[in-house]
Amino acid sequence: SQTIHQWPATLVQPVGSPLSLECTVEGTSNPNLYWYRQAAGRGLQLLFYSVGIGQISSEVPQNLSASRPQDRQFILSSKKLLLSDSGFYLCAWSQTGVAGNTIYFGEGSWLTVV
Amino acid sequence: AQSVTQLDSQVPVFEEAPVELRCNYSSSVSVYLFWYVQYPNQGLQLLLKYLSGSTLVKGINGFEAEFNKSQTSFHLRKPSVHISDTAEYFCAVSDLRYSSASKIIFGSGTRLSIRP
Repeated sequence: SQTIHQWPATLVQPVGSPLSLECTVEGTSNPNLYWYRQAAGRGLQLLFYSVGIGQISSEVPQNLSASRPQDRQFILSSKKLLLSDSGFYLCAWSQTGVAGNTIYFGEGSWLTVV
Repeated sequence: AQSVTQLDSQVPVFEEAPVELRCNYSSSVSVYLFWYVQYPNQGLQLLLKYLSGSTLVKGINGFEAEFNKSQTSFHLRKPSVHISDTAEYFCAVSDLRYSSASKIIFGSGTRLSIRP
């Protein structure tokens, strides 16, 4: 069966520091991968998605970036964090043309920028 | 363009009472529909989905939803809720034309709180 893991689960970072959140998927190949952000009391916002290695699409302008160095690995980064980057970050995956493109989420990572 | 509306931001109910969480969507094409549950400080978990076939879909934890094409609705129901059902519930719609889930649209969520 397929599993998705992301880490770290909780992170407290000072303003201006770098960020790296990592996500890996097991049990499937060539998944579509996604990073979402969920700000406190708000819905889900798609930040990035990837349909293959090295292929990244950005949905919103921001100081975050994403990379996909391996087929099942997706990394969310920032060179300098802002206070507004605080939130709950969710990695997710889906398989093209399978089950209506059902999307499956990781456990989430809480980021607090202080 | 597609959109998803969850009509209630919060729904308080007593334990063992029935509950209905409402979801309406708009789309000019056929869609897939989903309900997700998010427990505090966790990721989203798939409850159920409608892809095709029977309009009544059964999911995990005793939840079910009914797809109503004429009313463009996909309401979530449970006949008797438990304290453990306290969570936020998200409705989502996906356009059949797209091969990735990048175009999936999520509702703003409904917070279900169960009172003993």
